[in-house]
Amino acid sequence: AQSVAQPEDQVNVAEGNPLTVKCTYSVSGNPYLFWYVQYPNRGLQFLLKYITGDNLVKGSYGFEAEFNKSQTSFHLKKPSALVSDSALYFCAVRDGGHTPLVFGKGTRLSVIA
Amino acid sequence: EAGVVQSPRYKIIEKKQPVAFWCNPISGHNTLYWYLQNLGQGPELLIRYENEEAVDDSQLPKDRFSAERLKGVDSTLKIQPAELGDSAVYLCASSLWGPGSGRLNEQFFGPGTRLTVL
Repeated sequence: AQSVAQPEDQVNVAEGNPLTVKCTYSVSGNPYLFWYVQYPNRGLQFLLKYITGDNLVKGSYGFEAEFNKSQTSFHLKKPSALVSDSALYFCAVRDGGHTPLVFGKGTRLSVIA
Repeated sequence: EAGVVQSPRYKIIEKKQPVAFWCNPISGHNTLYWYLQNLGQGPELLIRYENEEAVDDSQLPKDRFSAERLKGVDSTLKIQPAELGDSAVYLCASSLWGPGSGRLNEQFFGPGTRLTVL
């Protein structure tokens, strides 16, 4: 069965500094990995995904994520954080094929001006 | 393009009352999902439809929850009777399932319905 771990409930970072939100996964087959962001009273918005190919994936709003197969990780990164990046971030995984997404419990990112 | 539409956005009911949520997926999307999101948690799948067929409802509490997707477009999720523990956000998502990569299989989420059971 698939699972996702987001070890940090909260990440605080100063505006302009780089940010990292951690995610590790477990899946039986090849992983399909996703990052979503959720703003208050809004649905989840897709940021980026890894299916195959280059381990560094670039997504929306300047975010990127690095797939590391040996460490089974898919950490979300951004070189320079903005206050508007403050939100709840979810990592999700599914194995190959048409299977449902399994989400982590989320990490709340707070960017301080 | 229009996104996934859900209504109502908020619902407050007393326990033991029935409640229904409606979802209109993105036009052309053949797969529709209902997720439950408890406070401080990630979404958990309740049911997944491929066109009109419920292909995964293993996590749906069938004693009180029911869902339908008539004509393979809109969907309704119902709870009868509601319990205090059902207070949560109910998310609907849709995707266009097909072989290959790209934007296929990416799930698009609606804003959710926040249910409060008193």
